Amino acid sequence: QVQLQESGPGLVKPSETLSLTCTVSGGSISSYFWSWIRQPAGKGLEWIGRIYTSGITNYNPSLKSRVTMSVNTSKNQFSLNLTSVTAADSAVYYCAREAAVAGRYLDYWGPGMLVTVSS
Amino acid sequence: DIQMTQSPSSLSASVGDRVTITCRASQSINNYLNWYQQKSGKAPKLLIYSASSLQSGVPSRFSGSGSGTDFTLTITSLQPEDFATYYCQQSYSTPRTFGQGTKVEIK
Repeated sequence: QVQLQESGPGLVKPSETLSLTCTVSGGSISSYFWSWIRQPAGKGLEWIGRIYTSGITNYNPSLKSRVTMSVNTSKNQFSLNLTSVTAADSAVYYCAREAAVAGRYLDYWGPGMLVTVSS
Repeated sequence: DIQMTQSPSSLSASVGDRVTITCRASQSINNYLNWYQQKSGKAPKLLIYSASSLQSGVPSRFSGSGSGTDFTLTITSLQPEDFATYYCQQSYSTPRTFGQGTKVEIK
C-alpha cells in the first residue's frame, strides 16, 4: 500500500521560504508524477504543480515565479520550495501521486501538513 | 486555465436520498474528469476517475457520467458516511484545476 507523508516546518516567517518534503513508502517513486496541492482554511483546493521522476516539472502560473520542485529517487522523496511567502500562503499542503497514463488522476495523498506564515 | 464550476455549492439531504452534483468545464476536457471526497480534517479521496470509472474500494452507490464539458456525480442512496465535501478536477491540461466544492450536509 503506497503511503505519502509530508514533513517540514509548520511555521514560516513572512518573506522567507517554505520548504516541504514528501516521503513515499510502499512503492516506487518511478514512473509517476508527484504533485503538491494546498488548501487554505475553509477554502477549496489549489494545484501548485507536479514533478516527474525524470525531473520534468509543471507549475501553476499563479505561483510559477516562486515555486521550485525537486525529486530524490534514491530516498523516495520529492520536495517543494515556495519563496517570499506571505500570510496568503498559509494553508494545509498536500502531496499526492498522479498516474502518468490514462486518467491522470490523484490516487494517493498524504495526510496534509498545516503551514502557517506568521512572524 | 480551465475553469471548473460545480453546482450546487451545498445541499442538504437525508439518508437514503439520491444526490446529484454537477461540474462544468470552461472548455472541452474529453473525459479527463475526476471526483474526490473530502471529510473534515482529512485529505481528499479519489472516488471516480476518467469521468465514469469507479476507483477500487469505492462503493457502487457512487457513479459518474459525462463527457466534453458537462459531468455528473451521483450517489444513489446517501449513507451517513457520505456527508462530506465533493470536488471535481480536470486532468486534461496543466494547471490542473478543481471545482469550488459541494458540501453535502444532513437534512
